[in-house]
Amino acid sequence: DGGITQSPKYLFRKEGQNVTLSCEQNLNHDAMYWYRQDPGQGLRLIYYSQIVNDFQKGDIAEGYSVSREKKESFPLTVTSAQKNPTAFYLCASSSSLLDGTANEAFFGQGTRLTVV
Amino acid sequence: GDSVTQMEGPVTLSEEAFLTINCTYTATGYPSLFWYVQYPGEGLQLLLKATKADDKGSNKGFEATYRKETTSFHLEKGSVQVSDSAVYFCALGYTGRRALTFGSGTRLQVQP
Repeated sequence: DGGITQSPKYLFRKEGQNVTLSCEQNLNHDAMYWYRQDPGQGLRLIYYSQIVNDFQKGDIAEGYSVSREKKESFPLTVTSAQKNPTAFYLCASSSSLLDGTANEAFFGQGTRLTVV
Repeated sequence: GDSVTQMEGPVTLSEEAFLTINCTYTATGYPSLFWYVQYPGEGLQLLLKATKADDKGSNKGFEATYRKETTSFHLEKGSVQVSDSAVYFCALGYTGRRALTFGSGTRLQVQP
């Protein structure tokens, strides 16, 4: 089945550590995104990528980094510079942004990151 | 800039009641509009969408009509079930733009 896989589902990090969240899609989508969701709040865009080897900062990129070396993969690293990393992280993908209509995003199941 | 405003929740209804969740938007152009649903501990799933004014999106008994004159995309369902309990997000997007813009979400609780 086609879809987006995020791993792990739960992740615990000690303060001062970097951690990497995995996101893989087999939908052949060009565009991929990372969002952060805090309790009772909406989604905030961290980074997005429209094509391999290219990515752009979203609204809250500070303390995060990404790479897009393969079309299928868009890992997110939460660095020690992120002051408040405890949150639910959602990865999404969509088909080309340039084909005439705004395309819906398909989401993974999320990773819940907790700093201990 | 673009933004999406949703009614605050939680919205608490009894089973078989009529549901309306309000969504209004501010946009610089002519966006497509979406409703997503999120069940506890999961990602978001597309519920329905509309790409132009006066379009009606529908799915699983839910409906929403793209109203350009009132910049609204209210979600409705005639008879809710306990299984509809979730958080609902309204969103907008454009061709060639970076990502969808989401509202803050509205939690729906349906009681038996």
